[in-house]
Amino acid sequence: EELLLESGGGVVQPGGSLRLSCAASGFTFNVFAMSWVRQAPGKALEWVSTISASDGRTYFADSVKGRFTISRDDSKNTVYLQMSSLRAEDTAVYYCVKNRIVGSATRFDPWGQGTQVTVSS
Amino acid sequence: DIQMTQSPSSLAASVGDRVTITCRPSQNINNYLSWYQQKPGTAPKLLIYAASTLQSGVSSRFSGSGSGTNFTLTIAGLQPDDSAIYHCLQTFSIPYYTFGQGTKVEI
Repeated sequence: EELLLESGGGVVQPGGSLRLSCAASGFTFNVFAMSWVRQAPGKALEWVSTISASDGRTYFADSVKGRFTISRDDSKNTVYLQMSSLRAEDTAVYYCVKNRIVGSATRFDPWGQGTQVTVSS
Repeated sequence: DIQMTQSPSSLAASVGDRVTITCRPSQNINNYLSWYQQKPGTAPKLLIYAASTLQSGVSSRFSGSGSGTNFTLTIAGLQPDDSAIYHCLQTFSIPYYTFGQGTKVEI
């Protein structure tokens, strides 16, 4: 069974930093791109960032560009999201997702259970 | 950026009903669309990809159709367990993905 387990969420003050981790199991981690998706309370899902499998290229939503970084350690089957200069609007549940990129059949599956990030003073 | 307009934002229906949710991207995305179901307090779950391909293990009461700029998710024979929020996702502009606003289905 393919599983993703996020950790690292918590409460942080505005301007602070936090690192999320996502441990993967049940599939060949190093051949899949991985993404982070967030959901603010009562809001729509928002794609945050993706890291490719082959060359480690990274991509970010405009809302987090320059503040967040994404990385992966294939030896640990883990993807990370380093968040800095955090703002109240970054408060959300953050999900780790496996990207299966196959042309029009590209999809996000599975999803982790999510980790809550709260930015508040 | 591709914007995704999903409608309705919410609907109420009865057991056994057939419901349809629509997703309209701001530009042609061929069939690069997937649908997800999210029950309260849980992560989204993949239902359909490539606009109409049912994910393994998902009930055949769920079906997807459409291409270009008009897509639909249909739930036939609505069951109490189908109460959830349904999201569409465009994967045409890889990796700059965008979701619809979600549709809450109440039974």
